[in-house]
Amino acid sequence: AQRVTQPEKLLSVFKGAPVELKCNYSYSGSPELFWYVQYSRQRLQLLLRHISRESIKGFTADLNKGETSFHLKKPFAQEEDSAMYYCALIKFRNSGNTPLVFGKGTRLSVIA
Amino acid sequence: GAVVSQHPSRVICKSGTSVKIECRSLDFQATTMFWYRQFPKKSLMLMATSNEGSKATYEQGVEKDKFLINHASLTLSTLTVTSAHPEDSSFYICSAREEGTSGNNEQFFGPGTRLTVL
Repeated sequence: AQRVTQPEKLLSVFKGAPVELKCNYSYSGSPELFWYVQYSRQRLQLLLRHISRESIKGFTADLNKGETSFHLKKPFAQEEDSAMYYCALIKFRNSGNTPLVFGKGTRLSVIA
Repeated sequence: GAVVSQHPSRVICKSGTSVKIECRSLDFQATTMFWYRQFPKKSLMLMATSNEGSKATYEQGVEKDKFLINHASLTLSTLTVTSAHPEDSSFYICSAREEGTSGNNEQFFGPGTRLTVL
């Protein structure tokens, strides 16, 4: 079964320190993985996806199929990075519908 | 980016009443929309997939007669919680994928609807 695990409920770091939000997944086949972010009082929004191999707001994430991980990293945390972060994977279906399976989320708190 | 709206943002109702939540794609068409439920301090749980012009697909454990979904147009899906009970109190979130974006599985999320059943 498809599953996404985010082991940390809360992660607190000091401003300027490196950040790593962990995500492990369980999926038979080639997964398509995303990181979504939810800032305070805002809706869920896409941060980045593994197929794009892009860096958004200084964040990067590399898919490691051997370790079935997709950890989110940033070398220097900023206060504005404080938010709830969700790792998610696409649940492909024969019907063509592609809902997301979410992890439980990690709250990142960046301390000044 | 594409915008998804939800209405109402917050609703309080008495036990036994029915509540309708609307999800609209404002500047794009969406054949498929998804409804999620978020419990306090927990993740988003997929409830059902809403398909324009056909029946919704419900996830295991979600009562289709309890949570009625209607996707009457390419920009609107509605979720009706029938005979609501306090245990239905939750945060309901919809998302939509823009049509014509083959290979791009990005979903756009609504702001959510907070339902409180007294």
